[in-house]
Amino acid sequence: AQSVAQPEDQVNVAEGNPLTVKCTYSVSGNPYLFWYVQYPNRGLQFLLKYITGDNLVKGSYGFEAEFNKSQTSFHLKKPSALVSDSALYFCAGGATNKLIFGTGTLLAVQP
Amino acid sequence: EAEVAQSPRYKITEKSQAVAFWCDPISGHATLYWYRQILGQGPELLVQFQDESVVDDSQLPKDRFSAERLKGVDSTLKIQPAELGDSAMYLCASSSRDRVEGNEQFFGPGTRLTVL
Repeated sequence: AQSVAQPEDQVNVAEGNPLTVKCTYSVSGNPYLFWYVQYPNRGLQFLLKYITGDNLVKGSYGFEAEFNKSQTSFHLKKPSALVSDSALYFCAGGATNKLIFGTGTLLAVQP
Repeated sequence: EAEVAQSPRYKITEKSQAVAFWCDPISGHATLYWYRQILGQGPELLVQFQDESVVDDSQLPKDRFSAERLKGVDSTLKIQPAELGDSAMYLCASSSRDRVEGNEQFFGPGTRLTVL
């Protein structure tokens, strides 16, 4: 069965520090991997995706993610966190256009 | 900027009542998805449409849930009768036909359902 795991319920980081939100996947075949962000009482907003090609993917708002096939990971990163980055982040993946979502990681950026 | 529209934004109902949610996808998007997101969890796919046809409803509780997209544009998700465990956020998303797989999905603001 396909699955996506986000091992951290919450990540705390100080403003200006680098941030990492972890994601691992178990998808048969070549995976499509996505990161979405959700603000309170809002739908999900697309950040970035990996389909094929360069393992380092750049997305919206300065976020990037690295696809690591050997570790089956797709961690989200940003060099310098902003307070406005505080939100719920979801990793999602699949081998078709049916996505499996992780349980989400709450990112809290302290001023 | 084009957006996915959903209504209502909030719905409170009593158990055993019927409820319906509406979604209007981004114009031209052939694929439409309904998700259920329980508090503290990620979205779970309920049903996926390609144009007016259902391509995946394996997780839809068909004894009480129904979904339709009659003209291949907007869609309605219905629950009858509602149960306490149906309290959740119901999200609609759409994606374009350009590439069948690997397209990002664009989400609406969701309908938060509370069943009393």
